[in-house]
Amino acid sequence: DAEITQSPRHKITETGRQVTLACHQTWNHNNMFWYRQDLGHGLRLIHYSYGVQDTNKGEVSDGYSVSRSNTEDLPLTLESAASSQTSVYFCASSESPGTSGRNEQFFGPGTRLTVL
Amino acid sequence: TQLLEQSPQFLSIQEGENLTVYCNSSSVFSSLQWYRQEPGEGPVLLVTVVTGGEVKKLKRLTFQFGDARKDSSLHITAAQPGDTGLYLCAGANTGNQFYFGTGTSLTVIP
Repeated sequence: DAEITQSPRHKITETGRQVTLACHQTWNHNNMFWYRQDLGHGLRLIHYSYGVQDTNKGEVSDGYSVSRSNTEDLPLTLESAASSQTSVYFCASSESPGTSGRNEQFFGPGTRLTVL
Repeated sequence: TQLLEQSPQFLSIQEGENLTVYCNSSSVFSSLQWYRQEPGEGPVLLVTVVTGGEVKKLKRLTFQFGDARKDSSLHITAAQPGDTGLYLCAGANTGNQFYFGTGTSLTVIP
């Protein structure tokens, strides 16, 4: 079965360190997204990609970067981790809606990141 | 910018009761999704509605998309403890962008 996986599931790091969160999907979806989820803010979009070599900034992109070298993977990098980046991070993927108008995202299980 | 408002934010009810969750926006969406999220897991897609006025049923859950495609509701009949979770609505536009509501946290007490 197709799926979307994230690793690690839990990560503790120190302020100033570079951290990379992995996201891998076997849906063969063109679109991939990174969100963070915090109490009181819901899901906020960090970065997204509509295909290989395409990346775009979302609502809360400062301090984060992504790269898309193949269809399956969209790693999220925190250049210099800050305590404000302590959060739960979700990766998602979707296929373009085409003529049906249906536009659905499928989520990974999340990575809980703590920055000390 | 929060485009989707969900209400109520928190809901605690007894098993067997009915409830309705609302998702409202001033924006028009090409489709709208409802997700349920359990603690420690990612959101799981429940349903997608595309057509204004569309009603979809998933066992005891009934989803409705507003005629103008700006709002939606989720009605649960005879709630069960297994329905406990965070319910999220998300609107999608033709540009493949998704906008999430802040969620409704539902607790069903046995």
